[in-house]
Amino acid sequence: NAGVMQNPRHLVRRRGQEARLRCSPMKGHSHVYWYRQLPEEGLKFMVYLQKENIIDESGMPKERFSAEFPKEGPSILRIQQVVRGDSAAYFCASSPGQGVEQYFGPGTRLTGT
Amino acid sequence: AQKITQTQPGMFVQEKEAVTLDCTYDTSDQSYGLFWYKQPSSGEMIFLIYQGSYDEQNATEGRYSLNFQKARKSANLVISASQLGDSAMYFCAMREPSSNDYKLSFGAGTTVTVRA
Repeated sequence: NAGVMQNPRHLVRRRGQEARLRCSPMKGHSHVYWYRQLPEEGLKFMVYLQKENIIDESGMPKERFSAEFPKEGPSILRIQQVVRGDSAAYFCASSPGQGVEQYFGPGTRLTGT
Repeated sequence: AQKITQTQPGMFVQEKEAVTLDCTYDTSDQSYGLFWYKQPSSGEMIFLIYQGSYDEQNATEGRYSLNFQKARKSANLVISASQLGDSAMYFCAMREPSSNDYKLSFGAGTTVTVRA
């Protein structure tokens, strides 16, 4: 049973480019969470999605960041007009329901130049 | 206010010895969950151990045990018989109903270096 998959594992974007980070949850999981880890810090919650619905995006920056979890396909975290300050590790986690164990993917390391 | 506090930025431990990583938390909820994760240099987040606030016994998983002191709001991780592969960053995290029971709040982490 494959775990949570994230790709790419590493991504370099120049200032102004768009970054698309993908997350495929574990089989049978319909709840997806995105967290961001800035250098030398712990993970910070960004957004919680279920299929086709954003449940809680209270941790998302107000501009340039968006997330979706379509009926088919992976969840996507999109960062428009990347800046150097967006450089971080972005982790996706999934769970079979709300309030239960979250399983983390390996993360995507984004470098904004 | 910081929900999870890990006061030890870095620790050294001799191989085969035990090490205790401190974690204190802040919540007004009666029901909550506490987690420890390991993050090796490769970067992935590996779940180690979970303690529910109503669990009467301290959680154990192999060489990992959680020293849960509810009155003190502490959930220290004990790694026994340290191995070189234990060298990593360790994060304490909490889930609580007042955060809708799905947001994990993480501490800043403790780096553990195991010496041969």
